[in-house]
Amino acid sequence: GAVVSQHPSWVICKSGTSVKIECRSLDFQATTMFWYRQFPKQSLMLMATSNEGSKATYEQGVEKDKFLINHASLTLSTLTVTSAHPEDSSFYICSARTSGSTDTQYFGPGTRLTVL
Amino acid sequence: AQSVTQLDSQVPVFEEAPVELRCNYSSSVSVYLFWYVQYPNQGLQLLLKYLSGSTLVKGINGFEAEFNKSQTSFHLRKPSVHISDTAEYFCAARSYNTDKLIFGTGTRLQVFP
Repeated sequence: GAVVSQHPSWVICKSGTSVKIECRSLDFQATTMFWYRQFPKQSLMLMATSNEGSKATYEQGVEKDKFLINHASLTLSTLTVTSAHPEDSSFYICSARTSGSTDTQYFGPGTRLTVL
Repeated sequence: AQSVTQLDSQVPVFEEAPVELRCNYSSSVSVYLFWYVQYPNQGLQLLLKYLSGSTLVKGINGFEAEFNKSQTSFHLRKPSVHISDTAEYFCAARSYNTDKLIFGTGTRLQVFP
């Protein structure tokens, strides 16, 4: 089946620093990738949708200058949390959709970000 | 607006007992429906999906779900659960005309020996 990886799986950083999270589709080409945020014991909230080669579309309330998304290739999307603060601590999950399918998203294992 | 409701935040059940996890959706347009499972500190794994056709959908790990349009429900069932089924289960919906998946708040299934 379709496999999506994320790196790193967990990261701890100091307040004010930037953190980059990678999302890769390992065995398929993903024209569309999605970034979600999940707070403890809560559901996933979509942050943004990125299409390869174009700018990401952010959901209402998500700061695009704080959460930079780059989808430079059909197998890689990155999320950079700029000037991270403790309130940015969360579980970030990406998903990818195959170019030949419009229905199923395949999810990565997530990245736990802790900002001290 | 589209929404997904999972009324049960937690469902405790003994091993080998049947289980039903409830999911209701609201949408002004037709939707695709999904169930995902999340094990601790992991991403989501697709259990099953309803796109069209037969309203009874069979998924992995012995789970199945039935789409009921009149009741706008997509309940997940398993006739006999295992300890290993302990996890968080999310119902999700997506309208035909959008990329966006809307998730329910999740149901924690805890299976006891």
